[in-house]
Parts: sequence; structure tokens; C-alpha cells
Amino acid sequence: EPEVTQTPSHQVTQMGQEVILRCVPISNHLYFYWYRQILGQKVEFLVSFYNNEISEKSEIFDDQFSVERPDGSNFTLKIRSTKLEDSAMYFCASSAWTGTYNEQFFGPGTRLTVL
Amino acid sequence: AQSVTQLDSHVSVSEGTPVLLRCNYSSSYSPSLFWYVQHPNKGLQLLLKYTSAATLVKGINGFEAEFKKSETSFHLTKPSAHMSDAAEYFCVVSDRDNQGGKLIFGQGTELSVKP
Repeated sequence: EPEVTQTPSHQVTQMGQEVILRCVPISNHLYFYWYRQILGQKVEFLVSFYNNEISEKSEIFDDQFSVERPDGSNFTLKIRSTKLEDSAMYFCASSAWTGTYNEQFFGPGTRLTVL
Repeated sequence: AQSVTQLDSHVSVSEGTPVLLRCNYSSSYSPSLFWYVQHPNKGLQLLLKYTSAATLVKGINGFEAEFKKSETSFHLTKPSAHMSDAAEYFCVVSDRDNQGGKLIFGQGTELSVKP
């Protein structure tokens, strides 16, 4: 069964450093998403991406964040200058419109630790 | 705006007894509703989805949920809990009933199963 994959599973970085989180969505999906979950809190939407551009972004997704689909398979989230509060689990998801509902398939997540 | 409220942050049951995880939603239209499960250090797995086809929805691992419009509820149930059901459960609503909408998560309910 096709699945969303994410690398790395755990990333440790120093405050102020740039990080890139990588995702490979399911191959025939057209919609891509990033969510995050700070420890002990609920999962929050960051950004959605379709047709090589951002469809929607939350207020969390400020100028420090960017997304890119550099080739036909990868979908990346870049944080330019990490802050302590960026420490969280980051989930990538993808979906294909079924005509009736919006089912999103999630990857296993990347745990980002900012020191 | 769409939202979900999970009424219990933690539920504890004995193995073999029924499980009830409560969720209320708020939506300006007929929503798409989901339950996701997150086992420790794992990603988010879809348990079941409601998409207006039938009010009683059956999911994986013996779980089911009933959509009750009059009560704006979508409670998750299972007749007999198993130790492997111990996990975090999220009630989720789709922001738009079309392609690409973000998912809005509830706070989560941690299910503990005692031997």
C-alpha cells in the first residue's frame, strides 16, 4: 500500500540554524500539507500546497517558513532560522480528491529539536 | 468556522470493556469528519471517516462512530477494548468540503487500557 514517507525521523539543530524537512507524498496525490504538533498539544495546520503554489497557510507559517516541491516526488519544509519554539513533531500529508471527501494520508513525522 | 471539541482528555478502561471517546463538532455545512489514532512515537493513522453516505461508520480494528446531526456529535466506540488500543485519538473535521481543505484537529483523547 502506498504511503507518505518523511526524512529524517529526528533532527536536532541549534537555534538560528536552517533546517529542511523532507517528505515524499503518495505518487498520484496532488495536494500536500504540513502540520505540526508541539509536545502535549494538538496537531496544527501549517500550510497546504497545490499546483506548485501555496493554497493556504496559517498564522504560524510566517516568513521563516517556506515550502517547495523541487522535483516530481519530494515536498520540503524549510525553516530559515530556527527558534526554540519550533521544536515539535512535523507531519507531512497528501491527498487526492475523491469527489466526495478530503482524506489526507500522513507520514510518520519528523521530530525537530531546537537547542 | 469549523471546529471540534473532544470532551475527555483521558479515558481509562479495562481490557474487554467498551470504549467511548466523545467528540462534538461545529460546522457551517455538512462536514467531513474523521477519527485518527496516534500510537506512541508513530504517525497518524486514519481509523474511520464520515462523508454523509451513512450515519454509522465502521472503521478499522473494530471501531465505529455515529454521526448525530441533532447533537452535533461524532463519538467513537468499540465494544471491547484491547491492550493494543492504548493510544491518542483525534477527532478531526475538514475545513472545506472539497479538495485541499485543511484538517482541524481536536485536542486529543488519551486512551489507557488496563489488564
